[in-house]
Amino acid sequence: DTAVSQTPKYLVTQMGNDKSIKCEQNLGHDTMYWYKQDSKKFLKIMFSYNNKELIINETVPNRFSPKSPDKAHLNLHINSLELGDSAVYFCASSQGAGSYNEQFFGPGTRLTVL
Amino acid sequence: RKEVEQDPGPFNVPEGATVAFNCTYSNSASQSFFWYRQDCRKEPKLLMSVYSSGNEDGRFTAQLNRASQYISLLIRDSKLSDSATYLCVVIFPSGSARQLTFGSGTQLTVLP
Repeated sequence: DTAVSQTPKYLVTQMGNDKSIKCEQNLGHDTMYWYKQDSKKFLKIMFSYNNKELIINETVPNRFSPKSPDKAHLNLHINSLELGDSAVYFCASSQGAGSYNEQFFGPGTRLTVL
Repeated sequence: RKEVEQDPGPFNVPEGATVAFNCTYSNSASQSFFWYRQDCRKEPKLLMSVYSSGNEDGRFTAQLNRASQYISLLIRDSKLSDSATYLCVVIFPSGSARQLTFGSGTQLTVLP
């Protein structure tokens, strides 16, 4: 059974487009995250989110917006894509907001902006 | 100075060797520490937490040195399957919340 799933696995798009990445977890966790891993493999947290609180990494452009229809889903919407947005985006989940217990990662979405 | 720093490697070691990685952190108030493993083109997975007194899980030993602000990971009797990137994670207080930061990873290749 897949614990944390993401779609699509690969996304190739043109600059200026708007795209979304979906994430679902079936672990019953209450906190979900989005990370960006750039070409140098540096993994940086973008958002952490539970029902009560959205914590935004202040370096994330406001073109990026997380949307959570329910506790099991956290989607990432990106407006006006730029070349520098090309990276692998990982969704993750854990139990306990702010506690950063063990995080379970999805398989990643490889975004290429042309 | 970066909040969390790791030697990127690569570390190339023969099977059976013992190898150690360090990870330094800048915030002396850091509270929790972890080692994650990431295989090529895969997602990170938790390898082990790091406890103040040090902890061991099979061939893996994690240590914390608060005075010098670093954590370490020791791998004994390296296996080919240990080849991966090892990421340290540090959690420290940030205002009223807590912040999680990954190191950039240390690449290990175990050679036959």
